[in-house]
Amino acid sequence: AQSVTQLGSHVSVSEGALVLLRCNYSSSVPPYLFWYVQYPNQGLQLLLKYTSAATLVKGINGFEAEFKKSETSFHLTKPSAHMSDAAEYFCAVSDGLSGNTGKLIFGQGTTLQVKP
Amino acid sequence: GAGVSQSPSNKVTEKGKDVELRCDPISGHTALYWYRQSLGQGLEFLIYFQGNSAPDKSGLPSDRFSAERTGGSVSTLTIQRTQQEDSAVYLCASSWGQGTDTQYFGPGTRLTVL
Repeated sequence: AQSVTQLGSHVSVSEGALVLLRCNYSSSVPPYLFWYVQYPNQGLQLLLKYTSAATLVKGINGFEAEFKKSETSFHLTKPSAHMSDAAEYFCAVSDGLSGNTGKLIFGQGTTLQVKP
Repeated sequence: GAGVSQSPSNKVTEKGKDVELRCDPISGHTALYWYRQSLGQGLEFLIYFQGNSAPDKSGLPSDRFSAERTGGSVSTLTIQRTQQEDSAVYLCASSWGQGTDTQYFGPGTRLTVL
């Protein structure tokens, strides 16, 4: 079975400050890991994904995440927060074995607030 | 190009009524997924289609829920005899294939059961 835990349901940072959103996963098979962002009243948009290539993954809007197998983590970071980053962020895992369906198991989400 | 579309955007129904939710995936995408987003349960997988077949229905919460896909394109999620706990946002996503292919999400249908 796979699961995802996002530490902190709400994170607040000042504009220009470092953004760090935490995600830990549990998986009995090689995982694929994803970060999605959801703006109010919109669907989910992919920020980045890890699929067993480079462990440091760069995504859109200046975000990046590092896969750390020893820590079972996939934390999302951005060096400098912008007001437009305020949204809800979801970490997700899927089965990395050949033939997997691609279904995503999501964490509970973290709401990012950016203060001026 | 056009993204994933869903209709209706909002649906209010009375307990016990049946509802149908529609998803139009991106043209050419063979994989289609339904998820449910609710305050209590977060984002949950419901069902996966590859073409017109559904090899993974493991997330459907009860036999009141069913889904079909026709012509390898449009999908309909049907909820029979709706209950208040069915109130949620139902999200559809599509991708080229499966596995690591990026899933593109629609805006969702907000279902409210009174």
